[in-house]
Amino acid sequence: TQLLEQSPQFLSIQEGENLTVYCNSSSVFSSLQWYRQEPGEGPVLLVTVVTGGEVKKLKRLTFQFGDARKDSSLHITAAQTGDTGLYLCAGASRPLDSNYQLIWGAGTKLIIKP
Amino acid sequence: DTGVSQNPRHKITKRGQNVTFRCDPISEHNRLYWYRQTLGQGPEFLTYFQNEAQLEKSRLLSDRFSAERPKGSFSTLEIQRTEQGDSAMYLCASSRAYYNSPLHFGNGTRLTVT
Repeated sequence: TQLLEQSPQFLSIQEGENLTVYCNSSSVFSSLQWYRQEPGEGPVLLVTVVTGGEVKKLKRLTFQFGDARKDSSLHITAAQTGDTGLYLCAGASRPLDSNYQLIWGAGTKLIIKP
Repeated sequence: DTGVSQNPRHKITKRGQNVTFRCDPISEHNRLYWYRQTLGQGPEFLTYFQNEAQLEKSRLLSDRFSAERPKGSFSTLEIQRTEQGDSAMYLCASSRAYYNSPLHFGNGTRLTVT
């Protein structure tokens, strides 16, 4: 059974600090998605990475897919209170025919204090 | 783009009662998915439709759960004889029917079974 482990489970830091959260597996993934979920809302897709070693930037967020496509990281520079939320990663073991095949991590709950 | 709409947002019911949730997907999306999410966990796949056809159903889904999408537009998820363990956030998502098409989630229905 493929698993995605996210770490840390919980992170609370001050506004302006940098942070990195991780999504790891012992299995190879064809692609990996990152979502942010705010309290009381559904997850919102941030990025999809598909190539080993790929780096994608979304303003202050930098996403990296490991060379071996078994892990990914999300780095946030100068965190803001609006970054608060649950960060979820979801992986596809093969090219996605349908999203039901996604394997989900349990998420990292991030709180940015003003 | 009106997004994915779910109703009700909250439902409190007594154990043993039946409940029904509704999801209205993004209008041009052929695929519709139901997920369940408990606190501290990622979404757990329940079932998915392409148009009106139910193509996949999780083996974890008990016979008390049923979903329909009669005209290929909105969908309903019914839980019969609710149990306290059914308490969770029920998320609906939709996507187009092509390779790697991204998921768009609704804001969920939070069910509390007392």
